[in-house]
Amino acid sequence: DARVTQTPRHKVTEMGQEVTMRCQPILGHNTVFWYRQTMMQGLELLAYFRNRAPLDDSGMPKDRFSAEMPDATLATLKIQPSEPRDSAVYFCASGLTSGGSSEQFFGPGTRLTVL
Amino acid sequence: AQSVAQPEDQVNVAEGNPLTVKCTYSVSGNPYLFWYVQYPNRGLQFLLKYITGDNLVKGSYGFEAEFNKSQTSFHLKKPSALVSDSALYFCAVRDLGSGGSYIPTFGRGTSLIVHP
Repeated sequence: DARVTQTPRHKVTEMGQEVTMRCQPILGHNTVFWYRQTMMQGLELLAYFRNRAPLDDSGMPKDRFSAEMPDATLATLKIQPSEPRDSAVYFCASGLTSGGSSEQFFGPGTRLTVL
Repeated sequence: AQSVAQPEDQVNVAEGNPLTVKCTYSVSGNPYLFWYVQYPNRGLQFLLKYITGDNLVKGSYGFEAEFNKSQTSFHLKKPSALVSDSALYFCAVRDLGSGGSYIPTFGRGTSLIVHP
């Protein structure tokens, strides 16, 4: 049963520290999405990759956030320095291009708390 | 530009009764439409999608949705609700027209509460 995996599942850190979240997309999927979910803002798209190339990161605060795909099996989202307002659940999702008709497969999320 | 609206933050229904979770969309061309469900402390799970063809789409867990082009709606339905259906439901749309994005736009979600 293929699944998207995310690590860590929970992270508590202090303001100013670097946070790295990792995602392993489903093997064979060529699109990867990073989302942030909060009660106030709902589900926000942070970054989108296709064939490992970043195509859209317009929703991501550029000064402190960065997203990369070092290889097809790993996507990373980094926050440096972290701030309390970054506290949220971060989801990674993967899918197939399929002309945009493919559904997304979401990981279980990383719950981040910045003190 | 593509957009989607879920007009109800919360829907309450008694177990055994039919349920409807509403979704309306705005696109410049034809839409691709999706429903996802999120259980507590879990990621979103795909339920069903409309791409083309039959306006009535059947999905997982007994859910179905009807694409209505004239009303620009894609409401999620189930004939008989279960307590275990209680979750957060998201509608998403992708516009195939010139004003669309390759990336689907998600609604804010509707919390479905099924009472025993």
